[in-house]
Amino acid sequence: GAGVSQSPSNKVTEKGKDVELRCDPISGHTALYWYRQSLGQGLEFLIYFQGNSAPDKSGLPSDRFSAERTGGSVSTLTIQRTQQEDSAVYLCASSRGGGGDTQYFGPGTRLTVL
Amino acid sequence: AQTVTQSQPEMSVQEAETVTLSCTYDTSESDYYLFWYKQPPSRQMILVIRQEAYKQQNATENRFSVNFQKAAKSFSLKISDSQLGDAAMYFCAYLSGTYKYIFGTGTRLKVLA
Repeated sequence: GAGVSQSPSNKVTEKGKDVELRCDPISGHTALYWYRQSLGQGLEFLIYFQGNSAPDKSGLPSDRFSAERTGGSVSTLTIQRTQQEDSAVYLCASSRGGGGDTQYFGPGTRLTVL
Repeated sequence: AQTVTQSQPEMSVQEAETVTLSCTYDTSESDYYLFWYKQPPSRQMILVIRQEAYKQQNATENRFSVNFQKAAKSFSLKISDSQLGDAAMYFCAYLSGTYKYIFGTGTRLKVLA
């Protein structure tokens, strides 16, 4: 596609439920990233994929968070047993490779946990 | 560890005037990249400008230019002839030879008509 897309745009869920957030990177981009942006904050790195592998998961806040990428393309971020502190905007980005390549961002998913 | 600091939570500028947003960073590396991203209310992070640390020449993109002072670890963004559409959050970001962006906390820019 022309840009990074994410779905859903907004997600409201109840505490304790599981949610899945989807990211479609720019076609041909091998690297994919997930970030979290809490209200009034900068972006917090969550995880990085190169192809289908995730060499760096260090940013995942807890074991309730997991992510996968299939076919070197679409990625899903899953949050299990959601908590109110998980409420944030989750942004996905992709780049042609790793290293110093510019990252291009999607519009994000706003997650609200009631 | 690398850090990025944006000391101006909010700035205002009159339409058609010039404004400068500040960014400082801390690193012990000599080779890295710096970015300015714009985030309008739509949430989409849009690349404004990119600077490679090894380049002494300041990057420019139309009305946007940077003042990159490597020794001072400063990377400010100048917006000339400000337009209403420039109103947004602006984030400064640092990237070393790996992949992990480090973002500042952002500056909200208001453009006054």
